[in-house]
Amino acid sequence: GENVEQHPSTLSVQEGDSAVIKCTYSDSASNYFPWYKQELGKRPQLIIDIRSNVGEKKDQRIAVTLNKTAKHFSLHITETQPEDSAVYFCAAGYGGSNYKLTFGKGTLLTVNP
Amino acid sequence: GAGVSQSPSNKVTEKGKDVELRCDPISGHTALYWYRQSLGQGLEFLIYFQGNSAPDKSGLPSDRFSAERTGGSVSTLTIQRTQQEDSAVYLCASSSGQGTGELFFGEGSRLTVL
Repeated sequence: GENVEQHPSTLSVQEGDSAVIKCTYSDSASNYFPWYKQELGKRPQLIIDIRSNVGEKKDQRIAVTLNKTAKHFSLHITETQPEDSAVYFCAAGYGGSNYKLTFGKGTLLTVNP
Repeated sequence: GAGVSQSPSNKVTEKGKDVELRCDPISGHTALYWYRQSLGQGLEFLIYFQGNSAPDKSGLPSDRFSAERTGGSVSTLTIQRTQQEDSAVYLCASSSGQGTGELFFGEGSRLTVL
């Protein structure tokens, strides 16, 4: 089955700096790579996703890159703000109408004001 | 309902007892997932129901765990003879089946086994 590794497990940055979280996956059949944000005591919520036919996707201050050859993908957050502080999970999955997702262990991001 | 609903939100039980956790997915969503979240362990896949297909049970950690989905809607996760290592937050999620891939999570059921 799929195995997703995520690094780092914790990340502390100063407000305004950039943050990068990296993930690798094992199953070359995976074709869908979402990122979820989980604030303290809240449920995980999708923030951005990318499919295997695309190398990069941006949405305001967040971007995701995918390297299918190397089987790794990354989340980039620019101009970090204190409200970006949360646990971020990457995931990899395959499917069509629905996807079976395997999640990484998460990265606790702390943005210091 | 407006979102995925789970009950109970908190459950404390004694080792050896059975527990049932319930999930009401978003109406019309064809897929339903159960994940387990333990401290430092991320989101561990347990089981996946997709429409009328046989469920993918490959993540269930032992035969003490079972789940069913009745009428393509409500799901129940049952843990028999609970052990202390079963203590975790059990998250349910549903997705629409429209190809977007987005999982909508419930608030979770926190299980504590004493």
